[in-house]
Amino acid sequence: AQSVAQPEDQVNVAEGNPLTVKCTYSVSGNPYLFWYVQYPNRGLQFLLKYITGDNLVKGSYGFEAEFNKSQTSFHLKKPSALVSDSALYFCAVRDSGSARQLTFGSGTQLTVLP
Amino acid sequence: DVKVTQSSRYLVKRTGEKVFLECVQDMDHENMFWYRQDPGLGLRLIYFSYDVKMKEKGDIPEGYSVSREKKERFSLILESASTNQTSMYLCASSLADGFTDEQYFGPGTRLTVT
Repeated sequence: AQSVAQPEDQVNVAEGNPLTVKCTYSVSGNPYLFWYVQYPNRGLQFLLKYITGDNLVKGSYGFEAEFNKSQTSFHLKKPSALVSDSALYFCAVRDSGSARQLTFGSGTQLTVLP
Repeated sequence: DVKVTQSSRYLVKRTGEKVFLECVQDMDHENMFWYRQDPGLGLRLIYFSYDVKMKEKGDIPEGYSVSREKKERFSLILESASTNQTSMYLCASSLADGFTDEQYFGPGTRLTVT
């Protein structure tokens, strides 16, 4: 079985400060990991993914994420937050040995304060 | 750009009505998905399809059915709507790989069952 946890429902950060949105996962095989963002009243947009290779993955809008196998984590980061980054962020995992479906976390609401 | 469209942004139906939610993608994607999104629960997979006329149950298929007669169109059917099906419904599509490729989402349909 595959599962993913986002331990924080809400993250607040001041504009210009670094931000981190946390994600941990559980799979029986190798993980394929994804981050999506949802702006108000819109569908989800893909940000980045880890499949294999370099543990630091760079994605859209200046976001990056670090895959840590020993801690089973895939935290989303950005060096300098913008007010426009305020949105709902979802982490998702797929077990490399299982079916085509993704399992999503419960989401983290990021608010960047001006 | 990939475009996934959903037939309605907002829908209000009465208990017991049959409800059709339509989804169309324009990028010749093999895989299509229906999710429901509820606060604090993230996205939960209802059904997915990896080919025309093929379907598989997701995590919460009870009370729903699907139809995929053409590659670009994937319909979600609520045979007899109930108030606990009030939710945001998201459609998504992805390329044939199904494991490592990202999903592209529609804008969502907010369904209210009264």
